[in-house]
Amino acid sequence: NAGVTQTPKFQVLKTGQSMTLQCAQDMNHNSMYWYRQDPGMGLRLIYYSASEGTTDKGEVPNGYNVSRLNKREFSLRLESAAPSQTSVYFCASSGLGGTAQNYEQYFGPGTRLTVT
Amino acid sequence: GNSVTQMEGPVTLSEEAFLTINCTYTATGYPSLFWYVQYPGEGLQLLLKATKADDKGSNKGFEATYRKETTSFHLEKGSVQVSDSAVYFCALTGAGSYQLTFGKGTKLSVIP
Repeated sequence: NAGVTQTPKFQVLKTGQSMTLQCAQDMNHNSMYWYRQDPGMGLRLIYYSASEGTTDKGEVPNGYNVSRLNKREFSLRLESAAPSQTSVYFCASSGLGGTAQNYEQYFGPGTRLTVT
Repeated sequence: GNSVTQMEGPVTLSEEAFLTINCTYTATGYPSLFWYVQYPGEGLQLLLKATKADDKGSNKGFEATYRKETTSFHLEKGSVQVSDSAVYFCALTGAGSYQLTFGKGTKLSVIP
């Protein structure tokens, strides 16, 4: 049981390049999330998907797009990377359509992205 | 909007010392409160939670009590171990919400 997996683990981009961060979960969870973690800022929600076929903006969605490909997979795309997007990105999932209040969020190991 | 304030670190303690990490919050209504832990190089894991006032969450020797009157959820452990070295995050979510609001994190280092 792998839980939440993310690829790649590390990535370096030049300003203006694009890339997609991949996330998959094998726990049959309905809800999935993308966060970014910056020093001294805690984690901030970028986008989430409450269930397959739906996506919603979080606190810091500008410069990102997401796709809920199926129940297992939720990808995050940077169309034109900027140095301000240098961060550690975490994907998370939670169970059976419940809200964050009732269902623990399970986190992946993270992707460390540097934009030069 | 919702916000979480937790004590700034880093915190360095000797093994078997008592730990307190302060957390206070601002939220409308009746939020649920969480402590997450992040070990080096890993993602976050839920440590404990409390969903209503006066609830005490506990796990692995850690405890926190939901105090509505002081809007606090302080994390405590009676005797820390080297293996407790990690970053600890206080978080909250409002009723019916999908969004967790995190504090900035407190790095704990425990030395033998």
